[in-house]
Amino acid sequence: DAGVIQSPRHEVTEMGQEVTLRCKPISGHDYLFWYRQTMMRGLELLIYFNNNVPIDDSGMPEDRFSAKMPNASFSTLKIQPSEPRDSAVYFCASSPTSGIYGDGTQYFGPGTRLTVL
Amino acid sequence: AQTVTQSQPEMSVQEAETVTLSCTYDTSESDYYLFWYKQPPSRQMILVIRQEAYKQQNATENRFSVNFQKAAKSFSLKISDSQLGDAAMYFCASARGFGNEKLTFGTGTRLTIIP
Repeated sequence: DAGVIQSPRHEVTEMGQEVTLRCKPISGHDYLFWYRQTMMRGLELLIYFNNNVPIDDSGMPEDRFSAKMPNASFSTLKIQPSEPRDSAVYFCASSPTSGIYGDGTQYFGPGTRLTVL
Repeated sequence: AQTVTQSQPEMSVQEAETVTLSCTYDTSESDYYLFWYKQPPSRQMILVIRQEAYKQQNATENRFSVNFQKAAKSFSLKISDSQLGDAAMYFCASARGFGNEKLTFGTGTRLTIIP
């Protein structure tokens, strides 16, 4: 398996522009997570999906952020309009369904480094 | 809510020696998982080792092992025979339930390997 795939790997944009980050989870994984990593706040969960349905979006910073998962193999994280404080590395992760005491391990993509000027 | 604390921002070890990275956590859950992830300069988050809270036996993966002290809520990582490729940021993390929920991360420990 190719692992979790994210695109683009780097994105530089200007304040006010729309940014779309993309993620393809590992085939067969039912859970998909979006995390953000910054120096100030470390790694924090933004939102996660189970079977394409958003389960917990309490980490989404504000209405400028939105995430979708139209099918089991694709998810997007959109920022509109973008601001300099959104500059961070955004990770997508996926994990398989765990049974009782099953495997809850999350596997991470390579991340997208976003710079908003 | 879960919290994870890593009190060592930086650690260094001589190549081939052993080093232990500390982690403490707090949770009100009875079922939870604990993880150590490694983030090399490439920034890829790589799973190092996983521990299920219900298991008393400490997890091991080759040169990596944990010391899981459930009552003390401590979860340290021991790296034996340190290699240059072990240089990275190491993050301790917890997830409640069976693991398929959000990971709560510590602030990380930067490990340097001295040749």
